[in-house]
Amino acid sequence: GAVVSQHPSRVICKSGTSVKIECRSLDFQATTMFWYRQFPKQSLMLMATSNEGSKATYEQGVEKDKFLINHASLTLSTLTVTSAHPEDSSFYICSAYDGQGRSSNQPQHFGDGTRLSIL
Amino acid sequence: AQSVSQHNHHVILSEAASLELGCNYSYGGTVNLFWYVQYPGQHLQLLLKYFSGDPLVKGIKGFEAEFIKSKFSFNLRKPSVQWSDTAEYFCAVTPTGGGNKLTFGTGTQLKVEL
Repeated sequence: GAVVSQHPSRVICKSGTSVKIECRSLDFQATTMFWYRQFPKQSLMLMATSNEGSKATYEQGVEKDKFLINHASLTLSTLTVTSAHPEDSSFYICSAYDGQGRSSNQPQHFGDGTRLSIL
Repeated sequence: AQSVSQHNHHVILSEAASLELGCNYSYGGTVNLFWYVQYPGQHLQLLLKYFSGDPLVKGIKGFEAEFIKSKFSFNLRKPSVQWSDTAEYFCAVTPTGGGNKLTFGTGTQLKVEL
């Protein structure tokens, strides 16, 4: 089945550091990728929708300048948490699907997630 | 905006017991419904989905779910659970034609004991 690779799986860094998380579709072209954030004991919250070659669409309350998303190719999207602070510590998950010329009802394929800890 | 409620946060069952996990959604239009499973240390995987047609859908590993439109529900069932079903289960919804943006419930942690 379709595989989505997310890297790194875990990051621990100091406050003020910028952290980049990569999301790659390994065996299909991901025209759309989604970035989610999950707090302990809570649901996955959609942060933004990333379409290849265009600007990401952010959900209400998500800071665009804080969470930079780039989707430069059909197989790679990156999320950069800029000047990270302890409150940005969370579990970040990406998903991808191929919506080219098809119904938008294609299933999403999820990465393993990235555990971000800011000290 | 849509929302999803999963009322059971933690469920503990013995092997061979029957399972039913509740999922209710709130949305004024037509929706597509999903159940995802996350086994320990693994990524989210699709168990089953409902788009249209027969409201009783069958998924992988013996799971099924029934869409009851009048109750805005999409409960997940399995007649006989196994130890390997221990995982976290997420219900999710997306508006039909809504660009595939999923709204997730808070998840249900299922533990199956031998």
